[in-house]
Amino acid sequence: EVQLVQSGAEVKKPGESLKISCKGSGYSFTSYWIGWVRQMPGKGLEWMGIIYPGDSDTRYSPSFQGQVTISADKSISTAYLQWSSLKASDTAMYYCVRRFRDLKGSGLWFDPWGQGTLVTVSS
Amino acid sequence: QSVLTQPPSVSGAPGQRVTISCTGSSSNIGAGYDVHWYQQLPGTAPKLLIYGNSNRPSGVPDRFSGSKSGTSASLAITGLQAEDEADYYCQSYDSSLSGLYVFGTGTKVTVL
Repeated sequence: EVQLVQSGAEVKKPGESLKISCKGSGYSFTSYWIGWVRQMPGKGLEWMGIIYPGDSDTRYSPSFQGQVTISADKSISTAYLQWSSLKASDTAMYYCVRRFRDLKGSGLWFDPWGQGTLVTVSS
Repeated sequence: QSVLTQPPSVSGAPGQRVTISCTGSSSNIGAGYDVHWYQQLPGTAPKLLIYGNSNRPSGVPDRFSGSKSGTSASLAITGLQAEDEADYYCQSYDSSLSGLYVFGTGTKVTVL
């Protein structure tokens, strides 16, 4: 079974750093892009960025460029999302996703999704 | 940040048919990129519902169907059931500088 299992909920103070993880299993981890999606409380889904674990090629949404860092360790089939200095506005649920691409190249979707990591930033 | 527009909410009685629209532009849906749909049940992670405009993953009931035309797409739920009450999001790819992968604004489906 293809699975993405994320690290547990975090409670942090503003200014602190954080790194959350997403471990893939049941498939070739280095052959699929892994993305991160933010969902703020009561809000919709926002794509943050994506990484190809095979060579660590990384792309960011302009909205998140410079705000977070995405990385991966292919030796342990794990992708990461990190912050160097958290803000209260980073409070949200974060999902990792595996990206699928069809043969035409016009179909790019996310499946499966991790269970989510809730990050709460509060003083 | 959402560049795909959906109605905030739709509702219907059990057994009825409801549709959710997803309106994009010439840099995403209109550029030929496929539309995909996700269902998010309360308190859970989103789940793939429709991929490639109209394809259902294994296990998704056939009362869910998708279509695409021009710069828009639609998700239809026929024979609405209580367990369909959830948030639904469309998603596509965008070739402009605003971002690569884009989601819709989301639609809350309420079963009356």
